[in-house]
Amino acid sequence: RKEVEQDPGPFNVPEGATVAFNCTYSNSASQSFFWYRQDCRKEPKLLMSVYSSGNEDGRFTAQLNRASQYISLLIRDSKLSDSATYLCVVSGNFNKFYFGSGTKLNVKP
Amino acid sequence: NAGVTQTPKFQVLKTGQSMTLQCAQDMNHNSMYWYRQDPGMGLRLIYYSASEGTTDKGEVPNGYNVSRLNKREFSLRLESAAPSQTSVYFCASSVSRAAYEQYFGPGTRLTVT
Repeated sequence: RKEVEQDPGPFNVPEGATVAFNCTYSNSASQSFFWYRQDCRKEPKLLMSVYSSGNEDGRFTAQLNRASQYISLLIRDSKLSDSATYLCVVSGNFNKFYFGSGTKLNVKP
Repeated sequence: NAGVTQTPKFQVLKTGQSMTLQCAQDMNHNSMYWYRQDPGMGLRLIYYSASEGTTDKGEVPNGYNVSRLNKREFSLRLESAAPSQTSVYFCASSVSRAAYEQYFGPGTRLTVT
């Protein structure tokens, strides 16, 4: 079983739509959670950390559900520039980090 | 301020050849990492260096060696390349092992035939 699982998508949405991705993790002892963004043929870049209380950064909201072992990312008012692959990252034992395989988002005009 | 740089950007090797991937960071970070990214697999940690002078195995270390040459540089060596090592390789750095934001280099696209 993979440490981190994501729906690969693609999610095809029109500009202005709201879209949500989930990511499940297998290790209940995981302490840290993140969303990274990766553009095509580029390196990953940190989008936001995910805190127990949830957090919001502009149009982006991240939530953590420890009981069900998943994290979510909500994007409101999608822009063309949001088209990318979104990677879920979860910490494991001994500060090792596990990356999901990513969810691809296509925002259409 | 270049961040994390990697060389080369592209490489084609024949099975059995060796090569070294170079990585350097100018952010004075203590920790550095090597990942590989394969379709449908996500990024997998090959080796990491928590601080200058230390290196540790990650999830998929077989077939690779690393050297933390100094605080800035962390190289990855393939001694005898195999087709299974065809992948995109990313180097990353962070302030410390306990600091969670990792900054990635642009990647090296390696093909082994």
